[in-house]
Amino acid sequence: QLQLQESGSGLVRPSQTLSLTCTVSGGNISFGSTSWSWIRQSPGKGLEWIGHVYYGGTTTYNPSLARRVTISVDTSKNRFSLRLTSVTAADTAVYYCARDDIGASGKGFDPWGLGTLVTVSS
Amino acid sequence: EIVLTQSPATLSLSPGERATLSCRASQSVGTYLAWYQQKAGQAPRLLIYEASNRATGIPARFTGSGSGTDFTLTISSLDPEDFASYYCQQRIDWPRSTFGGGTKVEIK
Repeated sequence: QLQLQESGSGLVRPSQTLSLTCTVSGGNISFGSTSWSWIRQSPGKGLEWIGHVYYGGTTTYNPSLARRVTISVDTSKNRFSLRLTSVTAADTAVYYCARDDIGASGKGFDPWGLGTLVTVSS
Repeated sequence: EIVLTQSPATLSLSPGERATLSCRASQSVGTYLAWYQQKAGQAPRLLIYEASNRATGIPARFTGSGSGTDFTLTISSLDPEDFASYYCQQRIDWPRSTFGGGTKVEIK
């Protein structure tokens, strides 16, 4: 059974960089018809897709965050990572990683990690 | 960006009652719409994909319908475990999908 687990710093200072990792277990991150996404949830903005990566390293980002986001994959460790630079209080949220099917006709985000709360504060 | 509007924001019902949740898109998404359930303190869980297909392990009391801009999630008879928040997600603009603001189904 595929499982995802987020890890990383729960407290980030304003203007600094948020870094999170999602470790995939129970399956291979290099599975061809799959992409790996980061999604966040804050009280103010609800659920927001941040971006995704394929096992080969190709990425797509939410245009609203693209200037500050980098998502990368490490197939040797079966994990992918998120970096968000120049954070502000508006980036405070629960961050989830999730598996997604490729294409509009895919089923959706399934499964999700448990989520990790990241607070931006000095 | 495709905007999804969910209504009502909160639905107060009793166990055994029927719940009807709405999701309206700002432009047609065909049937490329998914529904998720989120219980307090948990991650969302995929319920319905392509507007009307139940995901693996989802009980038959959950039914999705609609196409174009108007979609409905119906829970035929609320079980105590169904009191949660529900979100729709459009996939026609994949991978730049967007979510609705959610409907909370609470115990009356």
